[in-house]
Amino acid sequence: NAGVTQTPKFQVLKTGQSMTLQCAQDMNHNSMYWYRQDPGMGLRLIYYSASEGTTDKGEVPNGYNVSRLNKREFSLRLESAAPSQTSVYFCASSVGLRPTYEQYFGPGTRLTVT
Amino acid sequence: DAKTTQPNSMESNEEEPVHLPCNHSTISGTDYIHWYRQLPSQGPEYVIHGLTSNVNNRMASLAIAEDRKSSTLILHRATLRDAAVYYCILRDVQRDDYKLSFGAGTTVTVRA
Repeated sequence: NAGVTQTPKFQVLKTGQSMTLQCAQDMNHNSMYWYRQDPGMGLRLIYYSASEGTTDKGEVPNGYNVSRLNKREFSLRLESAAPSQTSVYFCASSVGLRPTYEQYFGPGTRLTVT
Repeated sequence: DAKTTQPNSMESNEEEPVHLPCNHSTISGTDYIHWYRQLPSQGPEYVIHGLTSNVNNRMASLAIAEDRKSSTLILHRATLRDAAVYYCILRDVQRDDYKLSFGAGTTVTVRA
């Protein structure tokens, strides 16, 4: 039981390059999330998926797209990376969206855009 | 939005209890109190949550004041692995607070 896994762990991109961050969970959770964490800015929600087949914007969706590939997998794509997207990206999952459900996080992807 | 206030840092000795306070004087009746922690270079980790009654799990205990304006996370026997930033947050079931939003948290240092 791996929980939430993310790949890659580290990535360096040049401005304008694209990439996809992968996330998978093996807990049979319905809801999945992508957050970014920046020093002094705390955790911010980029996109979320309440259940398989649905995705919605969070607080900071500009410059990102997501795909809920199936119940297990939720990917985050940067189409044209910018230095402002340098951050640590966390994927999380939960049984559902209700605030009584805890969220389980992956180990993170540390992305640097030069 | 109801906010929380935590001390910036706390120190503890290994194998001693740690009591982490959190003030939330503007808490509403539908706010759940959640605690998460984040170890260095790792993702956040759920610790515990509660509404009104004290809660215990394998990681910690949560003591909630009778008026719910404050709470305390208790780590019963600190280990070096408990050194982390601890976040106290409120999540309102009435407003469907699905996203997590952390403040500065309390940085816990555990001395061997």
